[in-house]
Amino acid sequence: DTAVSQTPKYLVTQMGNDKSIKCEQNLGHDTMYWYKQDSKKFLKIMFSYNNKELIINETVPNRFSPKSPDKAHLNLHINSLELGDSAVYFCASSQVNRGTEAFFGQGTRLTVV
Amino acid sequence: GENVEQHPSTLSVQEGDSAVIKCTYSDSASNYFPWYKQELGKRPQLIIDIRSNVGEKKDQRIAVTLNKTAKHFSLHITETQPEDSAVYFCAASKAGTYKYIFGTGTRLKVLA
Repeated sequence: DTAVSQTPKYLVTQMGNDKSIKCEQNLGHDTMYWYKQDSKKFLKIMFSYNNKELIINETVPNRFSPKSPDKAHLNLHINSLELGDSAVYFCASSQVNRGTEAFFGQGTRLTVV
Repeated sequence: GENVEQHPSTLSVQEGDSAVIKCTYSDSASNYFPWYKQELGKRPQLIIDIRSNVGEKKDQRIAVTLNKTAKHFSLHITETQPEDSAVYFCAASKAGTYKYIFGTGTRLKVLA
C-alpha cells in the first residue's frame, strides 16, 4: 500500500501548456503539501493545506493553483507553463497536531521544453 | 524569515569512517527536527528525528544531537557503508505550523 501517491511520475510538455499533477494519501493525515525540488536539489515549500483549507502559499505565482477536494487529495494545476517550472514536484502529508514527520510521494519530474 | 542552514554541501568519506552533517535553524520556537535521506531518483524518506525536549537520539549507526541554545543539530553516521551514499536533508518545524523548512542538502559519497 503506497502511503502518498502522485501521478504522473514524468511529465514532458511544451511552454504555454496547462498541466495537472494529482496526489492522494491514505494515511488519514489532515495536512498535505506541495514541495518543489529544483536542479540543485533544494526542497522549497509551495503550499500547505489543512482539512482542505489553504494554509500556506509561499509566494508562488498565480499560474499554480492547488485544489483539495477532500483531505486525502491535493492536486496541483499549472497554467501557461514556463521553462523555469521544470523541476521535481513532491506531494507530502503529515499529521500536524502530532508533530511528526512528513511522508513524501514519489515525485513528478516536470520538464518544460 | 525562517531559515535552515546545512553544511557541508558535499561530503566524501571512506567506507567504515564516520560522517557528520550540521544544521543551524533560525526560529527558536522550532521544536521538531527530522532528517531525510534521498537516494537518486527517489523520494525523501525519514531516517531519524528529534524533538526539542531531547538532546540526543540514536538508532543503530545513526545518531542526532540537538543544541537548543546554539540552535544547532547534527546527524552522525558511524561505520559508513556504500549504501549510505545519498543526499541528506535536515529540516525544522514548530507545533501548530504547517510547513517543514529544509536545509540545502548534503550529498554524501561513501567510497568503497
